Amino acid sequence: DIQMTQSPSSLSASVGDRVTITCRASQGISNYLAWYQQKPGKVPKLLIYAASTLQSGVPSRFSGSGSGTDFTLTISSLQPEDVATYYCQKYNSAPPTFGPGTKVDIK
Amino acid sequence: EVQLVESGGGLVQPGGSLRLSCAASGFTFSSYAMSWVRQAPGKGLEWVSAISGSGGSTYYADSVKGRFTISRDNSKNTLYLQMNSLRAEDTAVYYCAKVTYGDYVNDAFDIWGQGTMVTVSS
Repeated sequence: DIQMTQSPSSLSASVGDRVTITCRASQGISNYLAWYQQKPGKVPKLLIYAASTLQSGVPSRFSGSGSGTDFTLTISSLQPEDVATYYCQKYNSAPPTFGPGTKVDIK
Repeated sequence: EVQLVESGGGLVQPGGSLRLSCAASGFTFSSYAMSWVRQAPGKGLEWVSAISGSGGSTYYADSVKGRFTISRDNSKNTLYLQMNSLRAEDTAVYYCAKVTYGDYVNDAFDIWGQGTMVTVSS
């Protein structure tokens, strides 16, 4: 099975900072990559699919890029409401494995 | 409004069984593959099982294969997860999730239920 890794595992940044999270697949997955945001005590929310397509209603400060094995999620200007854990997920084939998550908080 | 509502969670002893349900509304249920995803306390997300729109194709994580069975009743717009031979490590919040586009098992999940807690303990 393809394994997913994320870095860093956690980060602390100031409001307004640009934040970048990396996701790596152990084998190429083309662009079959999604990003989810899970706020504390809440349900996961789809942010980005197909590596770079923003889900409807998601603020434009979120963006995704990458293809093959290396992907990034960028928050262009971190806001207090962005405090959450972010997960990547590959879905080119079963099992649709999630990464271990990156916890983002405010410095 | 598209909505998924899980039920059926609770406390069960090791070796016991439980059946989870997920009631769907606001979309043509039979046209979409569905999945179960779980999250152990303080841990990350783990995909558990998936089923095609017709119910004819099913998929399982290795950790639950042979113990869990996914099914659906499209006449009732309901997804199920029958869990047998439960272990302590199955303790988690179980979410049902809808795929984004049609009857593709391999897809991102755009709608999630609120989750139902399963605790396996003596």
